[in-house]
Amino acid sequence: KQEVTQIPAALSVPEGENLVLNCSFTDSAIYNLQWFRQDPGKGLTSLLLIQSSQREQTSGRLNASLDKSSGRSTLYIAASQPGDSATYLCAVYRGGGADGLTFGKGTHLIIQP
Amino acid sequence: DTGVSQNPRHKITKRGQNVTFRCDPISEHNRLYWYRQTLGQGPEFLTYFQNEAQLEKSRLLSDRFSAERPKGSFSTLEIQRTEQGDSAMYLCASSPLAGAIHEQFFGPGTRLTVL
Repeated sequence: KQEVTQIPAALSVPEGENLVLNCSFTDSAIYNLQWFRQDPGKGLTSLLLIQSSQREQTSGRLNASLDKSSGRSTLYIAASQPGDSATYLCAVYRGGGADGLTFGKGTHLIIQP
Repeated sequence: DTGVSQNPRHKITKRGQNVTFRCDPISEHNRLYWYRQTLGQGPEFLTYFQNEAQLEKSRLLSDRFSAERPKGSFSTLEIQRTEQGDSAMYLCASSPLAGAIHEQFFGPGTRLTVL
């Protein structure tokens, strides 16, 4: 059974810092990996998707990397802003339409002004 | 393209009542997923449709839960004889069948509170 772990569970940093969120998964047979953002009481916003054949994806101040063989992904946020405060979720997809996404519990991020 | 929509956004019900939620996926997205999220946890997969066919059901989906997608467009999730443990955020996502990316797009969720 696939298990996804996110470290740290919570993080509070001053505005302007660069930071790294970590995600690990136990079964490397994945089709893709998605990073999401979730604001309190809201749905999920897709940030980045990395296919299993890719090593990284970038969008603005966000960069996500994937090391499938070691079962790890990182989300790098550059020059953090208070508006980045949210819970960040990592999810893996096995493919074939089955089982949907398997999520970690998320990293709760607070950016202090 | 207005994104995935879900209704209602909030539902408060008494234990033992039946509730039904609706999800409208992004138009032309063939795949539709339901997830459940409790406080402090990541979403957990419940069930998956490809067009009108329900292809996968999680063990989390007890016999009190039923989902339909009758015409391959919108979907409904019904919970019969609700229990306090059913209180959660119910999330719907859709993704296109065409192409190899399989990116899932989520709706705003329906928050269920069972009293």
